[in-house]
Amino acid sequence: DQQVKQNSPSLSVQEGRISILNCDYTNSMFDYFLWYKKYPAEGPTFLISISSIKDKNEDGRFTVFLNKSAKHLSLHIVPSQPGDSAVYFCAAADAGGTSYGKLTFGQGTILTVHP
Amino acid sequence: NAGVTQTPKFQVLKTGQSMTLQCAQDMNHEYMSWYRQDPGMGLRLIHYSVGAGITDQGEVPNGYNVSRSTTEDFPLRLLSAAPSQTSVYFCASTPATGLRGYTFGSGTRLTVV
Repeated sequence: DQQVKQNSPSLSVQEGRISILNCDYTNSMFDYFLWYKKYPAEGPTFLISISSIKDKNEDGRFTVFLNKSAKHLSLHIVPSQPGDSAVYFCAAADAGGTSYGKLTFGQGTILTVHP
Repeated sequence: NAGVTQTPKFQVLKTGQSMTLQCAQDMNHEYMSWYRQDPGMGLRLIHYSVGAGITDQGEVPNGYNVSRSTTEDFPLRLLSAAPSQTSVYFCASTPATGLRGYTFGSGTRLTVV
């Protein structure tokens, strides 16, 4: 039972355009969401997060949107750069108590930004 | 440099052998976790710990043991390696206070033949 799903295995975007990566979740207990970026042969790197009390969080070129009623979140990258080419994972947690120690990840989306 | 250190980076085991994957962090983080990454599966939680002496199972704990005797170290033990345990293993840590992203190590690529 996949509680966090990234239904697009890959996404190809032109440099300078917007990249939109999507993520859906099923567990209503999730109230904290994160995006990670991963290059080959490296560990994931934290990008941006959002708690369920917000519907938007921005950090530079990266914006995460959360739609709680649809159990959907998205990551927008504007403008996209070739260095953004990587695998992007969304993750979710129940931030209450010690459950915060457990992140549930999606399958990942490979983003390719063409010059 | 502060961060999460995993050793070894690569390992080949024969079926039935045992080994320990090491993980250490120097950021005084309370929470530590082990994940495995397999193609098309994302990262799946094996075991996690919310402090020294406290561990709990994640999504795929079978075949693995953990202990947390200090804040800094969180080793993962494979008791009797199986080909299904061929994977890339990541250790991660985060502070318990506040909501921040986990810091991941660079991974251990394990092959069981």
